[in-house]
Amino acid sequence: AQSVAQPEDQVNVAEGNPLTVKCTYSVSGNPYLFWYVQYPNRGLQFLLKYITGDNLVKGSYGFEAEFNKSQTSFHLKKPSALVSDSALYFCAVRDAGTGGFKTIFGAGTRLFVKA
Amino acid sequence: DGGITQSPKYLFRKEGQNVTLSCEQNLNHDAMYWYRQDPGQGLRLIYYSQIVNDFQKGDIAEGYSVSREKKESFPLTVTSAQKNPTAFYLCASGGGSSYNEQFFGPGTRLTVL
Repeated sequence: AQSVAQPEDQVNVAEGNPLTVKCTYSVSGNPYLFWYVQYPNRGLQFLLKYITGDNLVKGSYGFEAEFNKSQTSFHLKKPSALVSDSALYFCAVRDAGTGGFKTIFGAGTRLFVKA
Repeated sequence: DGGITQSPKYLFRKEGQNVTLSCEQNLNHDAMYWYRQDPGQGLRLIYYSQIVNDFQKGDIAEGYSVSREKKESFPLTVTSAQKNPTAFYLCASGGGSSYNEQFFGPGTRLTVL
């Protein structure tokens, strides 16, 4: 069965500092991994995904994520945080081996960026 | 403009009533999804459909039903059998391959009175 863990409910960072939002996953086969962001009272927006190939994936708004197969992790990173990055971030996984569309989301991590 | 629309934005229901949430997309996507969002629990998958006239249960399908008669539409019915229906409901669509990302609608907040 697929599962996703986001071990931190909340991450606090000062503007201009680097940020990391953690995600670990479990699937029986190879994973497809996704990050989404949700701004207050709005739907989710896609940030980036890992399918195959380069372990470092770049996405929207200066975000990137590193796929680590041995640690089964897909942490979201940004070199310099902005106040406008404050939002709720979700990691999601699909099992590429099954070819199915079932998507499992983590519980979410709330990011606060302080000016 | 292309996108996903959900209606209504807010919905109030009395206990014991069924209610249907609308989801329409004009992105020509094959796949559509329904999620429920509760504080601290993230998004939980209710139902998903990879193609017209076909759908599968997600992790919390009990008390919900769906139909997929048209590619553009994937309505969700919350039945009286759903014991705790008050939540924020999100619809999404995506391309026809399992590596495609999802595009989300603005959501419907359902409150049972």
